[in-house]
Amino acid sequence: ETGVTQSPTHLIKTRGQQVTLRCSSQSGHNTVSWYQQALGQGPQFIFQYYREEENGRGNFPPRFSGLQFPNYSSELNVNALELDDSALYLCASRLREGGDTQYFGPGTRLTVL
Amino acid sequence: AQSVTQLDSQVPVFEEAPVELRCNYSSSVSVYLFWYVQYPNQGLQLLLKYLSGSTLVKGINGFEAEFNKSQTSFHLRKPSVHISDTAEYFCAVSLNSGYSTLTFGKGTMLLVSP
Repeated sequence: ETGVTQSPTHLIKTRGQQVTLRCSSQSGHNTVSWYQQALGQGPQFIFQYYREEENGRGNFPPRFSGLQFPNYSSELNVNALELDDSALYLCASRLREGGDTQYFGPGTRLTVL
Repeated sequence: AQSVTQLDSQVPVFEEAPVELRCNYSSSVSVYLFWYVQYPNQGLQLLLKYLSGSTLVKGINGFEAEFNKSQTSFHLRKPSVHISDTAEYFCAVSLNSGYSTLTFGKGTMLLVSP
């Protein structure tokens, strides 16, 4: 039990649609990261937010965007969905100061048809 | 940039046998090293981590790992596995600051049979 929750658990969308995934971090964890895990692969870093601002980004296009809120919740938004966006999306939170360990949520399984 | 190579995609083993899951990393600077486990349809759970100090790190569920700087390896071991250890195991690396993100390997599926 990491104290990180995600919603929804599963989601089915069609190509071209938009989706919003949500994450609730542990209280006091002011840094949240999002990862995409395609089937049979390790998680890949999408972006990181610290105190409501994006401060790091992986190799993902701008149609992947995010928000972080003062209450330790965050969102991942994906526009113009493509079939290859089908994956498990994981959020992870940590304390920035000395925060070497990231605590992962259970993930949201997104299927794009 | 850092990278992680997990040399085995699948490791089949019998219950109560020892197991080693191999991980090699590449980085030009000092790093932190992690092993995470993922059970079917679940998120990632931290098994253990190496930050500094003793190169032998003990984690949960009887797992341990040894950091070898000269060989840039961080292999995971367990002396006697259980059926319940069947899962996907991911090795990951990050820069040794609280600011950095994780770079994962592709994972090793540990299959424990009776």
